[in-house]
Amino acid sequence: DAGITQSPRHKVTETGTPVTLRCHQTENHRYMYWYRQDPGHGLRLIHYSYGVKDTDKGEVSDGYSVSRSKTEDFLLTLESATSSQTSVYFCAISSRAGTQYFGPGTRLTVL
Amino acid sequence: DQQVKQNSPSLSVQEGRISILNCDYTNSMFDYFLWYKKYPAEGPTFLISISSIKDKNEDGRFTVFLNKSAKHLSLHIVPSQPGDSAVYFCAASVGGSSGSARQLTFGSGTQLTVLP
Repeated sequence: DAGITQSPRHKVTETGTPVTLRCHQTENHRYMYWYRQDPGHGLRLIHYSYGVKDTDKGEVSDGYSVSRSKTEDFLLTLESATSSQTSVYFCAISSRAGTQYFGPGTRLTVL
Repeated sequence: DQQVKQNSPSLSVQEGRISILNCDYTNSMFDYFLWYKKYPAEGPTFLISISSIKDKNEDGRFTVFLNKSAKHLSLHIVPSQPGDSAVYFCAASVGGSSGSARQLTFGSGTQLTVLP
Protein backbone atom coordinates (compact mmCIF):
# COMPACT_ATOMS: atom_id res chain seq x y z
CA ASP A 1 0.00 0.00 0.00
CA ALA A 2 1.12 3.51 -0.82
CA GLY A 3 2.21 5.41 2.28
CA ILE A 4 -0.56 7.96 2.53
CA THR A 5 -2.20 9.16 5.72
CA GLN A 6 -4.96 11.68 6.23
CA SER A 7 -5.83 13.60 9.36
CA PRO A 8 -8.21 13.93 10.97
CA ARG A 9 -10.19 10.86 9.91
CA HIS A 10 -13.45 12.31 11.20
CA LYS A 11 -14.44 15.89 11.95
CA VAL A 12 -17.66 17.62 12.89
CA THR A 13 -17.68 21.40 12.67
CA GLU A 14 -20.11 24.28 12.48
CA THR A 15 -21.02 26.47 9.55
CA GLY A 16 -18.67 29.41 9.15
CA THR A 17 -15.66 27.89 10.89
CA PRO A 18 -12.35 27.28 9.12
CA VAL A 19 -11.23 23.68 8.64
CA THR A 20 -7.90 22.25 7.49
CA LEU A 21 -7.41 18.69 6.35
CA ARG A 22 -3.94 17.21 6.06
CA CYS A 23 -2.53 14.65 3.64
CA HIS A 24 0.89 13.17 4.31
CA GLN A 25 2.85 10.85 2.01
CA THR A 26 6.05 8.88 2.47
CA GLU A 27 6.46 7.94 -1.21
CA ASN A 28 8.14 11.15 -2.38
CA HIS A 29 5.66 11.40 -5.28
CA ARG A 30 5.53 14.68 -7.13
CA TYR A 31 1.77 14.84 -7.70
CA MET A 32 -0.89 15.11 -5.00
CA TYR A 33 -4.64 15.55 -5.30
CA TRP A 34 -7.70 16.29 -3.20
CA TYR A 35 -11.09 14.77 -4.11
CA ARG A 36 -14.50 14.77 -2.54
CA GLN A 37 -16.93 11.88 -2.78
CA ASP A 38 -20.66 12.43 -2.69
CA PRO A 39 -23.53 10.02 -3.46
CA GLY A 40 -24.30 9.90 -7.17
CA HIS A 41 -21.17 11.84 -8.12
CA GLY A 42 -18.27 9.45 -7.71
CA LEU A 43 -15.08 11.31 -6.86
CA ARG A 44 -14.58 14.89 -8.01
CA LEU A 45 -11.27 16.70 -8.11
CA ILE A 46 -10.98 19.78 -5.88
CA HIS A 47 -7.33 20.84 -6.28
CA TYR A 48 -4.06 19.22 -7.21
CA SER A 49 -0.36 19.90 -6.86
CA TYR A 50 2.46 19.18 -9.30
CA GLY A 51 5.26 20.20 -6.97
CA VAL A 52 6.13 22.21 -3.88
CA LYS A 53 4.22 25.51 -4.02
CA ASP A 54 2.72 24.50 -7.40
CA THR A 55 -1.03 23.96 -7.29
CA ASP A 56 -4.01 24.25 -9.59
CA LYS A 57 -7.79 24.08 -9.48
CA GLY A 58 -9.91 21.07 -10.22
CA GLU A 59 -13.56 20.63 -11.11
CA VAL A 60 -15.08 21.74 -7.77
CA SER A 61 -12.58 24.21 -6.29
CA ASP A 62 -14.95 26.96 -5.11
CA GLY A 63 -14.73 27.43 -1.33
CA TYR A 64 -11.46 25.50 -1.03
CA SER A 65 -7.80 26.44 -0.96
CA VAL A 66 -4.67 24.31 -0.79
CA SER A 67 -1.04 24.64 0.15
CA ARG A 68 2.03 22.50 -0.34
CA SER A 69 5.16 23.72 1.42
CA LYS A 70 6.87 20.31 1.53
CA THR A 71 6.83 17.37 -0.88
CA GLU A 72 5.21 15.13 1.70
CA ASP A 73 2.35 17.37 2.88
CA PHE A 74 -0.69 18.71 1.02
CA LEU A 75 -3.22 20.74 3.01
CA LEU A 76 -6.84 21.41 2.07
CA THR A 77 -8.52 24.40 3.75
CA LEU A 78 -12.16 25.33 3.91
CA GLU A 79 -11.96 29.02 4.83
CA SER A 80 -15.59 29.17 6.03
CA ALA A 81 -17.25 25.78 6.04
CA THR A 82 -20.78 25.38 4.64
CA SER A 83 -23.22 22.48 4.89
CA SER A 84 -22.69 21.75 1.17
CA GLN A 85 -19.09 20.85 2.03
CA THR A 86 -20.23 17.92 4.15
CA SER A 87 -18.55 15.05 2.33
CA VAL A 88 -15.84 12.43 2.42
CA TYR A 89 -12.49 13.84 1.32
CA PHE A 90 -9.77 11.72 -0.24
CA CYS A 91 -6.18 12.56 -0.91
CA ALA A 92 -4.28 10.81 -3.70
CA ILE A 93 -0.71 10.68 -4.93
CA SER A 94 0.86 9.69 -8.22
CA SER A 95 4.02 9.56 -10.19
CA ARG A 96 3.89 10.76 -13.78
CA ALA A 97 2.70 7.29 -14.84
CA GLY A 98 -0.85 8.31 -14.08
CA THR A 99 -2.14 5.74 -11.60
CA GLN A 100 -3.27 7.49 -8.46
CA TYR A 101 -3.18 5.91 -5.02
CA PHE A 102 -5.64 7.04 -2.41
CA GLY A 103 -5.54 7.69 1.30
CA PRO A 104 -8.13 6.36 3.76
CA GLY A 105 -10.33 9.46 3.64
CA THR A 106 -11.65 12.11 6.03
CA ARG A 107 -15.35 12.26 6.82
CA LEU A 108 -16.34 15.89 7.37
CA THR A 109 -19.72 16.96 8.71
CA VAL A 110 -20.64 20.65 8.70
CA LEU A 111 -23.63 21.42 10.93
CA ASP B 1 -22.21 16.94 -18.17
CA GLN B 2 -20.77 13.63 -17.03
CA GLN B 3 -17.88 12.60 -19.24
CA VAL B 4 -17.64 9.17 -17.60
CA LYS B 5 -20.83 7.26 -16.88
CA GLN B 6 -21.59 4.06 -15.03
CA ASN B 7 -25.24 3.49 -15.78
CA SER B 8 -25.77 0.57 -13.43
CA PRO B 9 -25.78 1.65 -9.78
CA SER B 10 -25.81 -1.96 -8.62
CA LEU B 11 -25.10 -5.51 -9.80
CA SER B 12 -25.65 -8.86 -8.06
CA VAL B 13 -23.82 -12.02 -9.14
CA GLN B 14 -23.57 -15.53 -7.80
CA GLU B 15 -20.23 -16.66 -6.41
CA GLY B 16 -18.12 -18.36 -9.08
CA ARG B 17 -19.88 -16.65 -11.98
CA ILE B 18 -18.61 -13.76 -14.08
CA SER B 19 -19.17 -10.15 -13.04
CA ILE B 20 -19.23 -7.57 -15.84
CA LEU B 21 -19.12 -3.91 -14.93
CA ASN B 22 -19.59 -1.32 -17.64
CA CYS B 23 -18.48 2.23 -18.19
CA ASP B 24 -19.10 4.69 -21.03
CA TYR B 25 -17.23 7.89 -21.79
CA THR B 26 -17.80 10.84 -24.09
CA ASN B 27 -14.40 12.55 -24.29
CA SER B 28 -12.41 11.10 -27.19
CA MET B 29 -9.24 12.68 -25.76
CA PHE B 30 -9.15 10.22 -22.85
CA ASP B 31 -6.13 7.97 -23.34
CA TYR B 32 -5.78 6.15 -20.03
CA PHE B 33 -8.47 4.29 -18.12
CA LEU B 34 -8.52 2.78 -14.65
CA TRP B 35 -10.74 0.74 -12.37
CA TYR B 36 -10.82 1.21 -8.61
CA LYS B 37 -12.50 -0.85 -5.92
CA LYS B 38 -13.82 0.76 -2.76
CA TYR B 39 -14.91 -0.83 0.50
CA PRO B 40 -16.96 1.19 3.03
CA ALA B 41 -14.91 3.56 5.19
CA GLU B 42 -11.77 2.98 3.11
CA GLY B 43 -10.09 4.80 0.25
CA PRO B 44 -10.39 3.57 -3.34
CA THR B 45 -7.91 0.84 -4.23
CA PHE B 46 -6.37 0.65 -7.69
CA LEU B 47 -7.34 -2.53 -9.54
CA ILE B 48 -6.29 -2.41 -13.16
CA SER B 49 -5.66 0.06 -15.95
CA ILE B 50 -5.48 0.18 -19.72
CA SER B 51 -3.94 2.54 -22.21
CA SER B 52 -5.89 3.61 -25.28
CA ILE B 53 -3.36 1.86 -27.52
CA LYS B 54 -4.59 -1.49 -26.18
CA ASP B 55 -7.98 -3.15 -26.24
CA LYS B 56 -7.45 -5.63 -23.41
CA ASN B 57 -5.46 -5.91 -20.22
CA GLU B 58 -5.53 -8.87 -17.86
CA ASP B 59 -4.39 -9.29 -14.26
CA GLY B 60 -5.37 -12.52 -12.59
CA ARG B 61 -9.14 -12.70 -12.23
CA PHE B 62 -9.56 -9.15 -13.58
CA THR B 63 -9.69 -8.20 -17.25
CA VAL B 64 -10.43 -4.77 -18.65
CA PHE B 65 -11.69 -4.35 -22.22
CA LEU B 66 -11.62 -1.10 -24.14
CA ASN B 67 -13.74 -0.42 -27.22
CA LYS B 68 -12.62 2.99 -28.45
CA SER B 69 -15.08 3.21 -31.32
CA ALA B 70 -17.97 2.70 -28.91
CA LYS B 71 -16.27 4.73 -26.14
CA HIS B 72 -16.96 1.82 -23.82
CA LEU B 73 -14.94 0.19 -21.07
CA SER B 74 -15.76 -2.98 -19.16
CA LEU B 75 -14.29 -4.89 -16.23
CA HIS B 76 -14.68 -8.66 -16.08
CA ILE B 77 -14.14 -10.53 -12.84
CA VAL B 78 -13.89 -14.30 -13.18
CA PRO B 79 -14.64 -16.14 -10.98
CA SER B 80 -16.44 -13.73 -8.68
CA GLN B 81 -15.88 -14.12 -4.95
CA PRO B 82 -17.80 -12.74 -1.95
CA GLY B 83 -14.75 -10.60 -1.09
CA ASP B 84 -15.21 -8.80 -4.41
CA SER B 85 -18.37 -7.17 -3.04
CA ALA B 86 -17.58 -3.44 -3.14
CA VAL B 87 -18.22 -0.28 -5.12
CA TYR B 88 -16.31 -0.19 -8.39
CA PHE B 89 -15.37 3.11 -10.02
CA CYS B 90 -14.07 3.58 -13.52
CA ALA B 91 -11.90 6.61 -14.21
CA ALA B 92 -10.32 8.20 -17.25
CA SER B 93 -7.64 10.77 -17.93
CA VAL B 94 -6.20 12.85 -20.75
CA GLY B 95 -2.47 12.83 -21.37
CA GLY B 96 -1.00 16.25 -20.67
CA SER B 97 2.26 17.96 -21.45
CA SER B 98 5.46 16.65 -19.96
CA GLY B 99 5.49 17.26 -16.21
CA SER B 100 1.79 18.01 -15.93
CA ALA B 101 -0.50 16.09 -13.59
CA ARG B 102 -3.02 13.61 -14.98
CA GLN B 103 -6.46 14.58 -13.75
CA LEU B 104 -8.84 11.67 -13.31
CA THR B 105 -12.53 11.89 -14.18
CA PHE B 106 -14.58 9.31 -12.29
CA GLY B 107 -17.85 7.58 -12.96
CA SER B 108 -20.46 7.46 -10.19
CA GLY B 109 -19.71 3.86 -9.27
CA THR B 110 -21.41 0.44 -9.35
CA GLN B 111 -22.12 -1.52 -6.18
CA LEU B 112 -21.21 -5.16 -6.84
CA THR B 113 -22.68 -7.80 -4.56
CA VAL B 114 -21.39 -11.35 -4.91
CA LEU B 115 -23.83 -13.80 -3.36
CA PRO B 116 -22.45 -16.97 -1.72
